[in-house]
Amino acid sequence: GAGVSQSPSNKVTEKGKDVELRCDPISGHTALYWYRQRLGQGLEFLIYFQGNSAPDKSGLPSDRFSAERTGESVSTLTIQRTQQEDSAVYLCASSFGGGSGKTQYFGPGTRLLVL
Amino acid sequence: DAKTTQPTSMDCAEGRAANLPCNHSTISGNEYVYWYRQIHSQGPQYIIHGLKNNETNEMASLIITEDRKSSTLILPHATLRDTAVYYCIVRGDQTGANNLFFGTGTRLTVIP
Repeated sequence: GAGVSQSPSNKVTEKGKDVELRCDPISGHTALYWYRQRLGQGLEFLIYFQGNSAPDKSGLPSDRFSAERTGESVSTLTIQRTQQEDSAVYLCASSFGGGSGKTQYFGPGTRLLVL
Repeated sequence: DAKTTQPTSMDCAEGRAANLPCNHSTISGNEYVYWYRQIHSQGPQYIIHGLKNNETNEMASLIITEDRKSSTLILPHATLRDTAVYYCIVRGDQTGANNLFFGTGTRLTVIP
């Protein structure tokens, strides 16, 4: 079946502009995660959605970052007033339920370059 | 989440078994061991996970020691396409620990 999809695959923007990144999770997956990966580094957790529970926003680096999820489907990560240090690959993952025994499946990522 | 220790890099001859070790000496009873890999410019790919017992799927085998303080991922017949960074992750159900913590991983190079 279809995996996690993300759009756009690449985004180039100017410093100070806002960007929106989209994630379509695997159908039926109730949990959705956003991560950031800077060049040559590991993944940084950003935010987690699980069903109707309040999202875990503990990884968001600043108030310029926000994310929304409509029900158990699409999620949008918004970065306002982008800075050059926001340049990274933004990865989305989904799982059938949260918790440690639930496997996360990743999308291909959106490569963001802030000039 | 418990921390993991992996070698920075490993080489493996094509067609041979690749054995990737991981130490997780502080793992607690409810934490799973997950393995992912990341091929250049792609998102992480799930490989396998386990709690106590050894596991096998179409991609790999996972051997977990009886004390659960270490594990080994085995790719039985490595191919050039298996060249990637392999991440060993332990993950528990603690409140707020909703994410996977990816360390630096092991960069596996499969040599022709």
